[in-house]
Amino acid sequence: ETGVTQSPTHLIKTRGQQVTLRCSSQSGHNTVSWYQQALGQGPQFIFQYYREEENGRGNFPPRFSGLQFPNYSSELNVNALELDDSALYLCASSRGGGTGSTDTQYFGPGTRLTVL
Amino acid sequence: AQSVTQPDIHITVSEGASLELRCNYSYGATPYLFWYVQSPGQGLQLLLKYFSGDTLVQGIKGFEAEFKRSQSSFNLRKPSVHWSDAAEYFCAGDDNYGQNFVFGPGTRLSVLP
Repeated sequence: ETGVTQSPTHLIKTRGQQVTLRCSSQSGHNTVSWYQQALGQGPQFIFQYYREEENGRGNFPPRFSGLQFPNYSSELNVNALELDDSALYLCASSRGGGTGSTDTQYFGPGTRLTVL
Repeated sequence: AQSVTQPDIHITVSEGASLELRCNYSYGATPYLFWYVQSPGQGLQLLLKYFSGDTLVQGIKGFEAEFKRSQSSFNLRKPSVHWSDAAEYFCAGDDNYGQNFVFGPGTRLSVLP
């Protein structure tokens, strides 16, 4: 059973650019959540996808968007990058549907985004 | 709004000593509660979780946590710390919908030889 994988590992962009981060969920998992972890802070929930539809969203602006594909892998897209977007972006997958689910989230190693 | 707090930013213990990391939560109803560990450059690894039932939860690597409703706490403990336990520890809560997982700010654990 493969775990959660993310690509790329590191990324450097300039302010105003757009970026796409990718996540492959663990085998058998249909739910993917994305988190932003700024340096020295706990992860903050961005949004969750369940069976290709957004299933919940944290306090992030619309320039943060996502997709989930039929194989349950996922993308996080960020438009008009700002300096404060520099962070570790974590993806987590789980088996549940997010509505009262007690399933555990399994995290990938993250993508380190630096915005200059 | 739901919140999870970890009062200690940084804790240092000697190898072999006991450990307790504090976590407090603020939720309308009893939440699901979790402890994760993050080593440098690594993702988050689940140590243990509380959903309901027995308030003392056993986890991996010799960790345990106790849910105390009266104190709104979910403290993590380990009787004897190993040097490899040095890492960042995060407490997290879930408001039963699984759509707004809230992490605490983390506690960094250093272990002295």
